[in-house]
Amino acid sequence: GAGVSQTPSNKVTEKGKYVELRCDPISGHTALYWYRQSLGQGPEFLIYFQGTGAADDSGLPNDRFFAVRPEGSVSTLKIQRTERGDSAVYLCASSSPGLQTQYFGPGTRLLVL
Amino acid sequence: QKEVEQNSGPLSVPEGAIASLNCTYSDRGSQSFFWYRQYSGKSPELIMFIYSNGDKEDGRFTAQLNKASQYVSLLIRDSQPSDSATYLCAVNWDTGRRALTFGSGTRLQVQP
Repeated sequence: GAGVSQTPSNKVTEKGKYVELRCDPISGHTALYWYRQSLGQGPEFLIYFQGTGAADDSGLPNDRFFAVRPEGSVSTLKIQRTERGDSAVYLCASSSPGLQTQYFGPGTRLLVL
Repeated sequence: QKEVEQNSGPLSVPEGAIASLNCTYSDRGSQSFFWYRQYSGKSPELIMFIYSNGDKEDGRFTAQLNKASQYVSLLIRDSQPSDSATYLCAVNWDTGRRALTFGSGTRLQVQP
């Protein structure tokens, strides 16, 4: 079956611009996670959705970052007023109901110039 | 601050040897532990997970967990050049929260 998909695969933007990153989880997976990975580091947790609601957003670095999952499937991570420090690979993962194993998508590589 | 520590490597082993990758974590109450493999430029791929003390085997891979000593390891038997990648250890501190905390990864090089 299809895995987690993310679009776009690459995004180049200018400092101060707004960006949206999209994640489509594995069919039937109710939990969805966003992580961010900088070069040479492990993924860093941002936010976790169970269904439509954000169950844990403790990893969002500041109020420029926001994520939604209006219908409990596709999620969008939104970054306002981008900064050069936001440049990273943004990873989405999903997991089955009741299970902890998380499966990652291919990521979106964001570059803020 | 809860932390997951891994030696960055590179760990170099000859083809056919056993590769041993180690990870320590700071919270004794941690619940579950995961090993991911990440090839350069790709996303993490789940290899194994372990919840209970002891060993868990899956093919050429064995995960070992020692909660009293707060370490988890991954053994790769009969290492192949295709195993060359970065191996990420991840810990779930609280099953209610679901978030994973990752180490920075150990780079493994398997020499043909």
